[in-house]
Amino acid sequence: AQKVTQAQTEISVVEKEDVTLDCVYETRDTTYYLFWYKQPPSGELVFLIRRNSFDEQNEISGRYSWNFQKSTSSFNFTITASQVVDSAVYFCALSGIGGANSKLTFGKGITLSVRP
Amino acid sequence: EPEVTQTPSHQVTQMGQEVILRCVPISNHLYFYWYRQILGQKVEFLVSFYNNEISEKSEIFDDQFSVERPDGSNFTLKIRSTKLEDSAMYFCASSGRDNQPQHFGDGTRLSIL
Repeated sequence: AQKVTQAQTEISVVEKEDVTLDCVYETRDTTYYLFWYKQPPSGELVFLIRRNSFDEQNEISGRYSWNFQKSTSSFNFTITASQVVDSAVYFCALSGIGGANSKLTFGKGITLSVRP
Repeated sequence: EPEVTQTPSHQVTQMGQEVILRCVPISNHLYFYWYRQILGQKVEFLVSFYNNEISEKSEIFDDQFSVERPDGSNFTLKIRSTKLEDSAMYFCASSGRDNQPQHFGDGTRLSIL
């Protein structure tokens, strides 16, 4: 069975602070995908990143960066110089690869509030 | 950019009534999904659909639920006899090929009275 744990439930920071959102996962699959989705107050789910279990290179996209460490089963997400528009719920998710394994298993989400 | 479209955005239904939630996936996508999110909780997988049949379903997806792709564009979720606990946001998602990221619609908020 797959499981995603986001131990932080709510984080509040002041604008321009850096913030890291933690994600720990469990899976018996040897190959899998990891994801981050953003859910702004309007409610939609916005895809941010997908990472293949084969690829442990860290990724940076603008103010966003992701640290994937297979040894600790973690896929953490850092927002640098946070902005008010970053306020949202952030979900980490996991899927297997292929066919019936492609369903997403989500964590409970982290509510990020960025104050001006 | 193509997107997944869900209608209605908000549905209010009396308990015991049937409800159909509609989704138009991205046009060349082949894999379709429904998820639900009870208010304040995590997003949960309901069902996946490929090649006109269910690929996988969760334990939530009991006999009260069904999915259909009635034509080349729509993908529907039917709840036969709604219960109060069916109140949630329902998200449709689609992907083009196996292993491509799923693109989500904006969701339908279902409120059961």
